[in-house]
Amino acid sequence: EVQLVQSGAEVKKPGESLKISCKASGYSFTNYWIGWVRQMPGRGLEWMGIYYPGDSDIRYSPSFQGQVTIAADKSINTASLQWSSLKASDSAMYYCARLRGYYDKSGIQSYFDFWGQGTLVTVSS
Amino acid sequence: DIQMTQSPSSLSASVGDRVTITCRAGQTINNCLNWYQQKPGKAPNLLIYAASTLQYGVPSRFSGSGSGTDFTLTITSLQPEDFATYFCEQSFSAPQTFGQGTKVEIK
Repeated sequence: EVQLVQSGAEVKKPGESLKISCKASGYSFTNYWIGWVRQMPGRGLEWMGIYYPGDSDIRYSPSFQGQVTIAADKSINTASLQWSSLKASDSAMYYCARLRGYYDKSGIQSYFDFWGQGTLVTVSS
Repeated sequence: DIQMTQSPSSLSASVGDRVTITCRAGQTINNCLNWYQQKPGKAPNLLIYAASTLQYGVPSRFSGSGSGTDFTLTITSLQPEDFATYFCEQSFSAPQTFGQGTKVEIK
């Protein structure tokens, strides 16, 4: 059974650093991209970026490039999302999700087929 | 980034109703369109990918159609567990982008 289990809720102050994690099980971690999605309170979903543990390839959304660091440790099947200096506007729910992709006549199809339970990050002075 | 626009933003419906949600892309995306369902306090759940392919385990009352820029999600007979928010997502080009969501409420 595929499972993505995220680390617990965090309360931080502006300027502090933070790393949240997503532990994968039930599939070959190095064979799938894993992504992060932000959901601000009462708002929609935002694709932040994806990471391929097989060769450490990373793709960031331009909106999040330079704002966060996405990484993974394939020895423990765990992906991470990191901030060096949090802002109040980083307060949100963050989801990790496995990206599945394949080729069809339209090109590459990709979708998030399994999701973590979410990590709530609150940044407040 | 490709803009995705859903309509309506919310709707009220009764159990047994047929519900249709529309998603429009800002440029052609072929059939690279996914649909997710999200219930309060839960992570999104994949319903449909590649515009019309039902994810394993999703009830057959859900269906998707469309290609190019215009897509629809249809629930043929709304069930109590279907009251939720629905998001479309384009996977044609990075960064993948989501619609703003359609909240389906009980009438």
